[in-house]
Amino acid sequence: SYVLTQPPSVSVAPGKTARITCGGTNIGSQSVHWYQQKPGQAPVVVIYYDSDRPSGIPERFSGSNSGNTATLTISRVEAGDEADYYCQVWDNSNNRYVFGTGTKVTVL
Amino acid sequence: QMQLVESGGGVVQPGGSLRLSCAASGFTFSTYAMYWVRQAPGKGLEWVAFIRYDGGHEYSADSVKGRFTISRDNSRNTLYLQMNTLRAEDTAVYYCAKSSSGGSGYMDVWGNGTTVTVSS
Repeated sequence: SYVLTQPPSVSVAPGKTARITCGGTNIGSQSVHWYQQKPGQAPVVVIYYDSDRPSGIPERFSGSNSGNTATLTISRVEAGDEADYYCQVWDNSNNRYVFGTGTKVTVL
Repeated sequence: QMQLVESGGGVVQPGGSLRLSCAASGFTFSTYAMYWVRQAPGKGLEWVAFIRYDGGHEYSADSVKGRFTISRDNSRNTLYLQMNTLRAEDTAVYYCAKSSSGGSGYMDVWGNGTTVTVSS
């Protein structure tokens, strides 16, 4: 089965850049979506189709995808960005959706 | 505005059944695929099931295959998840989510979730 691996945690100081990776075999050939989940809340999509940003999501959020790694980048990190982040793909070989293991972003 | 409201969660004994519902409003429900996603206490997100806009294609995770069934009633703007033979490991918050398209896509609208607890 297809596995997406994320670092369990990322810590970043306010105003700095956070990079969250999502590793999977040849993930660059698939479309990756990213979700932000704050405690007690439902997830919200922050990046879709590798690098597109929904309306209402700050330009500080960006995404890239190549080879075996997709990356969510949060620039000029703010306290409000503290949350869990999940990558997600559609595994069309097995007709199943896969979420990454999740990364907790802590703002120092 | 687009909204999804789940209901039907509760406490059930192992081996029991529950049916979750997800009422949709603010968009043309019949033109979008839908998902169920769950999150066990303190754990990450797990995709559970998918159904195409017209109900023509359904997929489910291996962990629930043969026990859970996703369905929809486009005349009632409602998504369902029939859960049978429940196990302790099915304990989770269950979210319904709207696809960005009539088929597979990203999950652009989520409900607030309904909690299922499987315990004796």
